[in-house]
Amino acid sequence: GQQLNQSPQSMFIQEGEDVSMNCTSSSIFNTWLWYKQEPGEGPVLLIALYKAGELTSNGRLTAQFGITRKDSFLNISASIPSDVGIYFCAGPGTNFGNEKLTFGTGTRLTIIP
Amino acid sequence: EAGVTQSPTHLIKTRGQQATLRCSPISGHTSVYWYQQALGLGLQFLLWYDEGEERNRGNFPPRFSGRQFPNYSSELNVNALELEDSALYLCASKLAGVETQYFGPGTRLLVL
Repeated sequence: GQQLNQSPQSMFIQEGEDVSMNCTSSSIFNTWLWYKQEPGEGPVLLIALYKAGELTSNGRLTAQFGITRKDSFLNISASIPSDVGIYFCAGPGTNFGNEKLTFGTGTRLTIIP
Repeated sequence: EAGVTQSPTHLIKTRGQQATLRCSPISGHTSVYWYQQALGLGLQFLLWYDEGEERNRGNFPPRFSGRQFPNYSSELNVNALELEDSALYLCASKLAGVETQYFGPGTRLLVL
């Protein structure tokens, strides 16, 4: 089955630093989605990418759909305390259509005071 | 516009009992997905309902079942609860033809 490898697993940074994380797949994805989850809450959609090579921003967040369609990157600039949480990449793959999302293992972001 | 809602927020059961979790999708969304997230782990796909039909299920035993009602709301049933069923159960909905899923806040199930 499809697998998504997300790295790093965790990050400890200081407020104001930039953050980069990535996600790689063993197979091609048609869509890449990035979610953020805070403790005890459901994931919240941050950015959706629909086209290889696409670069999309949402405030301080920027995500890119890799041209090979097997990877994606999420960057957060000038981190602030409310950025703390777990970031997941996800995608439906190409084999099925409107089906289940495969989620990455998550990147846990902690901001050191 | 209201987001995906789930009830109850928390549920405590004992081994062998049955649990019923409910989800209301965003208005206009016809597909509902259920995911299990065990503590500290990622999201595992459970079930997908679309237009009242079960379209796909993940690698879970038949104890996990559900249904989708004519108003597109959905119910997840877990029978013969086991300790390892303790997890956050997340429901997501989406529009037909669009792949982006929107999640509810989840139901935290604790099996004692």
